[in-house]
Amino acid sequence: NAGVMQNPRHLVRRRGQEARLRCSPMKGHSHVYWYRQLPEEGLKFMVYLQKENIIDESGMPKERFSAEFPKEGPSILRIQQVVRGDSAAYFCASFQTGAQNTEAFFGQGTRLTVV
Amino acid sequence: GDSVTQMEGPVTLSEEAFLTINCTYTATGYPSLFWYVQYPGEGLQLLLKATKADDKGSNKGFEATYRKETTSFHLEKGSVQVSDSAVYFCALSTSGSARQLTFGSGTQLTVLP
Repeated sequence: NAGVMQNPRHLVRRRGQEARLRCSPMKGHSHVYWYRQLPEEGLKFMVYLQKENIIDESGMPKERFSAEFPKEGPSILRIQQVVRGDSAAYFCASFQTGAQNTEAFFGQGTRLTVV
Repeated sequence: GDSVTQMEGPVTLSEEAFLTINCTYTATGYPSLFWYVQYPGEGLQLLLKATKADDKGSNKGFEATYRKETTSFHLEKGSVQVSDSAVYFCALSTSGSARQLTFGSGTQLTVLP
């Protein structure tokens, strides 16, 4: 039973390029959260998705960032025209639909470095 | 808004020492409280949780008690091991589940043999 899979583990982009981060939730999970961890800080909520639907994107910057979770395939967090301040670890977490007081399972994260 | 404040690190202890990592919170309503652990190069793993006042969460020798009167959820372990070296995050959720979480800044623990 594979856990939450994120790839790539490490991503280096030059300023102005696009970054695409992928997250495959645990089998049977149809809800995904994305969090960002800046250096020396805790994780900050970005966006909450279920398949084909964005539930809450209140934590996501209004510009350059977008997220999707299609019917088939992984959830994608896309950052356009990256800047140095986007350098961070991005974590995805998934959980089971409809379960209360359930654990969210985290992936190993993608560490984005913008040079 | 909701917030979590945790003891700043890093914390360095000798093996078998007693561990306390302080955590206090501010939240509307009645949050659930969590401790997550992040080992080097890994994602976060749920260590323990408590969903209402006076509940005690425990796992792998770690304990934390939900104290509503002091809005605290301090993590303790009586005898740490080298393998406990990791970053520990206190977190809360007001959604009634372990879903949308508000995290503290994390405390780096290093245990020396």
